Amino acid sequence: DAMVIQNPRYQVTQFGKPVTLSCSQTLNHNVMYWYQQKSSQAPKLLFHYYDKDFNNEADTPDNFQSRRPNTSFCFLDIRSPGLGDAAMYLCATSTLDGPYEQYFGPGTRLTVT
Amino acid sequence: DQQVKQNSPSLSVQEGRISILNCDYTNSMFDYFLWYKKYPAEGPTFLISISSIKDKNEDGRFTVFLNKSAKHLSLHIVPSQPGDSAVYFCAASGSSAGNMLTFGGGTRLMVKP
Repeated sequence: DAMVIQNPRYQVTQFGKPVTLSCSQTLNHNVMYWYQQKSSQAPKLLFHYYDKDFNNEADTPDNFQSRRPNTSFCFLDIRSPGLGDAAMYLCATSTLDGPYEQYFGPGTRLTVT
Repeated sequence: DQQVKQNSPSLSVQEGRISILNCDYTNSMFDYFLWYKKYPAEGPTFLISISSIKDKNEDGRFTVFLNKSAKHLSLHIVPSQPGDSAVYFCAASGSSAGNMLTFGGGTRLMVKP
C-alpha cells in the first residue's frame, strides 16, 4: 500500500541535543510538509517542499531545519531542542496540481528531557 | 486571526444517533474543504472533502455540507459508532494558497455505546 512512513514513532532527546526525524513516502507526491502539533491543537505548518524547492513558514524558528535529498525522503532537524519543542511532528504529502488532500504519516512524538 | 474555526471543542453522542460537527471560515478565497479524523498518537486521516462548486458530498456514513453564503460547513456522521470517537479537524484551501491547508482547532467526538 502506498503510504507515508515516519521514523521513529517515539523519540526522547535531551535538552539541547540535536535530533533528526525522518519521513518517507511511496506515493510519489511532489509536495512534502512538516507540521508540529501540540496536544489536540491544529497542526502548525513548519515548512514544505515543492519538489526540491524549500519553503519556510515565517514564524518557524531557526532551530528547525529540513532536508529533502530525493522525492521519497524528507528530514526534520532540530538543532537544539528546548522543552517547548516537545510535540507530535507530522509529515504529510500531496500532489502538486490538486486535489489538495494531504496524506499524513503516523507522526513522531518527541519528548525533551 | 483564525481563518478556520471549530467552535465546539467537544461533542458527545449516543451510538446510532447522528453526529454533526461544524466549521466556520472567514476567507472567501477558500474553495476546497476537507475533514480529517485523528486518533490519539496517530496522524490525521483524510475523511472527506468538498469543492465550493458543490453543496453536498456523501461517502457512506459521512456527509459534508457546504453553505458558501454563510461560510459554514458541517460533517454529518450517521449512524455514529464508538469507533468514530476521535478528534475531527476541518481544513480549507484555495487556489491562491496553492496546496496549503488552513486547519481548524478540532472537535473531539465521543460516541457512547
